[in-house]
Amino acid sequence: QVQLQESGPGLVKPSQTLSLTCSVSGGSISSGDYYWSWIRQPPGKGLEWIGYIYYSGSTYYNPSLKSRVTISVDTSKNQFSLNLSSVTAADTAVYYCARQDPGGQQLDYWGQGTLVTVSS
Amino acid sequence: QSALTQPASVSGSPGQSITISCTGTSSDVGGYNYVSWYQQHPGKAPKLMIYDVSNRPSGVSHRFSGSKSGNTASLTISGLQAEDEADYYCSSYTNSSTLVVFGGGTKLTVL
Repeated sequence: QVQLQESGPGLVKPSQTLSLTCSVSGGSISSGDYYWSWIRQPPGKGLEWIGYIYYSGSTYYNPSLKSRVTISVDTSKNQFSLNLSSVTAADTAVYYCARQDPGGQQLDYWGQGTLVTVSS
Repeated sequence: QSALTQPASVSGSPGQSITISCTGTSSDVGGYNYVSWYQQHPGKAPKLMIYDVSNRPSGVSHRFSGSKSGNTASLTISGLQAEDEADYYCSSYTNSSTLVVFGGGTKLTVL
């Protein structure tokens, strides 16, 4: 059973960089069978797909966030990370990491999510 | 504004069936059989219920089924149970640069 767990600061100041890490267990990122993704959900609102990374390091980002987003991978630790720069209050959300199927793009395993608040 | 359109809320009594619609365009829902549905209980992560329009992951109840006609996909829940009360989101692959789009979500109330 694949499990994902997000970690990182719960509070980030405006204009700073939000950094989160997702640790994967029960499966290997290096298998190359899946993409590894980030999704966010502002309080009381819907889901927004942020982007994914492949084990090789290739990435794909939502154009709405592309200028501020970097997703990286550390296959030796079986982890992948999200950096979102120049954050504002609009970036306050629960951030989820998930496994994404390259065929149908469904997100079949999710982390529990972590709330990141942007506030001074 | 979400790329896919869902009703804000639906309701039904225990034992009844309900259907949630998800309307997109020929660039997403209508053009590809890559529609997924997610169930989200309050304070919990979304759970995949349907993928590729009508396929159920292992462990998901047969009471959940999916279909598509034109640019509209549908999730049907039969034999409603109290535990089905949750938010439901549809998602689709899109040939636009966004790659993955979601609906705005539908709150299901079991009366």
